[in-house]
Amino acid sequence: GEDVEQSLFLSVREGDSSVINCTYTDSSSTYLYWYKQEPGAGLQLLTYIFSNMDMKQDQRLTVLLNKKDKHLSLRIADTQTGDSAIYFCAETLGANNLFFGTGTRLTVIP
Amino acid sequence: NAGVTQTPKFQVLKTGQSMTLQCAQDMNHNSMYWYRQDPGMGLRLIYYSASEGTTDKGEVPNGYNVSRLNKREFSLRLESAAPSQTSVYFCASSQRTGGTEAFFGQGTRLTVV
Repeated sequence: GEDVEQSLFLSVREGDSSVINCTYTDSSSTYLYWYKQEPGAGLQLLTYIFSNMDMKQDQRLTVLLNKKDKHLSLRIADTQTGDSAIYFCAETLGANNLFFGTGTRLTVIP
Repeated sequence: NAGVTQTPKFQVLKTGQSMTLQCAQDMNHNSMYWYRQDPGMGLRLIYYSASEGTTDKGEVPNGYNVSRLNKREFSLRLESAAPSQTSVYFCASSQRTGGTEAFFGQGTRLTVV
């Protein structure tokens, strides 16, 4: 949905950290997600965070949630060329649907 | 395990033609979805089916119809294609709506000329 906002592009050097940001719409969203889309493929769930959490870490991925500002971020440590993809944040609204952001195209420069 | 399978992968239509995009999942999921993906706009929900026998409109339903044929299959029909429907279409499924992981098909790239 157009109200879930992300920057369209991000470039980082291999080995650096990447931080992808997202602002979402509904403070009552129960789950917030990060999906990854590789070229020519569908989306795959990377990680998610429940709305009563501030942070979640999963190997190289760290998700931070600021509910007050409705801001979600995904940090990828030691970014690799295989991390080049489009990253979508998404929120659940009500009990029904996932609403996606515009996606951030991450390019990793060797 | 095939997951979510969409057919066809590519399609070119002339304005006014009709076609049906097929989607099937083998994960025994209750909920299925159709999204379209356009540059700079992310994914927008066209229709969804929370369970077998039910369908509901999403954000952008105009020009589309859907059928939840059975638990496995959820098809999307364009009755009279328009150039504005040129897009990449994704089918997805999840155990239930809201709060669970959605699994996506590989997408159908549709061009309407």
